[in-house]
Amino acid sequence: GENVEQHPSTLSVQEGDSAVIKCTYSDSASNYFPWYKQELGKRPQLIIDIRSNVGEKKDQRIAVTLNKTAKHFSLHITETQPEDSAVYFCAQKSGGSYIPTFGRGTSLIVHP
Amino acid sequence: GAVVSQHPSWVICKSGTSVKIECRSLDFQATTMFWYRQFPKQSLMLMATSNEGSKATYEQGVEKDKFLINHASLTLSTLTVTSAHPEDSSFYICSAGAGGPGNEQFFGPGTRLTVL
Repeated sequence: GENVEQHPSTLSVQEGDSAVIKCTYSDSASNYFPWYKQELGKRPQLIIDIRSNVGEKKDQRIAVTLNKTAKHFSLHITETQPEDSAVYFCAQKSGGSYIPTFGRGTSLIVHP
Repeated sequence: GAVVSQHPSWVICKSGTSVKIECRSLDFQATTMFWYRQFPKQSLMLMATSNEGSKATYEQGVEKDKFLINHASLTLSTLTVTSAHPEDSSFYICSAGAGGPGNEQFFGPGTRLTVL
């Protein structure tokens, strides 16, 4: 079945630094890769997503890269701010499926 | 974007009682909704897929007689935790997809269940 590995589990950075979270997957039929941000006690919110026909996508300080050959994708946050502190989950979905498979999550802490 | 609501946002109950959680899609119709459970500092664990007008599909290890799911309309799915025990205490989140498969999922705000 589908499996998503996410690293690191915890990431601590200084304000203004960059943060990178990496995920690998095993299902070659995966074609949709969303990233979610979840603040404590709140719902996961989609922050960026990428589809398998695109290698990179950027939205202001957030970018996602996809390497379909190597089956990995990464989230990049530049110029981090304290309000970026949250748990980030990667996920993947195969075509025709409603159900994403989530990574274990990365707790990002941005120190002011 | 599409809006999914959940009610209640939190509930405290005594061991042995049943608790019902509602999930509603407010501005779109959802033939399929999903129920997740999330323990502290852990990922989202899919419990079951709720299909409008038919029986839910449960993930392996999830007791269907304990977690009753009803999806009576295109905008409402309910999860009932029967005979709740302290180990059922968790954050329960529903989600629904707008549009076809492969599209974005929208999450409800979650329900914090505490069983005493």
